[in-house]
Amino acid sequence: EVQLVESGGGLVKPGGSLRLSCVVSGFSVSGNYISWVRQAPGKGLEWVSIIYGGSSTYYADSVQGRFTISSHTSDNTLDLQMNSLRPDDTAVYYCATQIEANDALDAWGQGTMVTVSS
Amino acid sequence: EVVLTQSPATLSLSPGERATLSCRASQRVTSNLAWYQQKPGQPPRLLIYDSSIRAAGIPSRFSGSGSGTDFTLTISSLEPEDFAVYYCQQRSNWPSYTFGQGTKLEIK
Repeated sequence: EVQLVESGGGLVKPGGSLRLSCVVSGFSVSGNYISWVRQAPGKGLEWVSIIYGGSSTYYADSVQGRFTISSHTSDNTLDLQMNSLRPDDTAVYYCATQIEANDALDAWGQGTMVTVSS
Repeated sequence: EVVLTQSPATLSLSPGERATLSCRASQRVTSNLAWYQQKPGQPPRLLIYDSSIRAAGIPSRFSGSGSGTDFTLTISSLEPEDFAVYYCQQRSNWPSYTFGQGTKLEIK
């Protein structure tokens, strides 16, 4: 069974850092395209970052240079290191992947809340 | 960059009625379109991918159609559990994903 479980969210001050983790099961982090998608309170979905092939990464312009995605085959986890956080980074962060669907995300975690506020 | 515009922003219907949700791309979409359903406090659930293929476990009352710049999600007969927010998504700017702003389907 495919599962994704996020952790690491919390309250952080503007300019601070936070590291999110996503533990996956049922598939390998090195063999799938895995994304972080966020949703600000009351707002829509925004794709944030993707990792594939274990090391190829890509970021939305809004987080480029501040966020770093990485994967770890030793424990089949995915991380999102978030630096220089801003209030508009406040959101629920989901990790998600495509298992069977073409160019769509058919497996999602439950999400972890990040609040950036002084 | 392709922008997806969904309409209407809010759709008010009654159970048993037919729902038609629209997603228009700012330019021709080179990859296929997906649709998601999201209920409060839950992650999105994939309904349709490749414009018209139902994801695993999705009831047959959900169908997708369209190509190019205009796409439609149809729910043939609304059930109480279908009232939620719906998002379209495409991947023309590979490897990123682009989402529409959402349509809220509410009970009339």
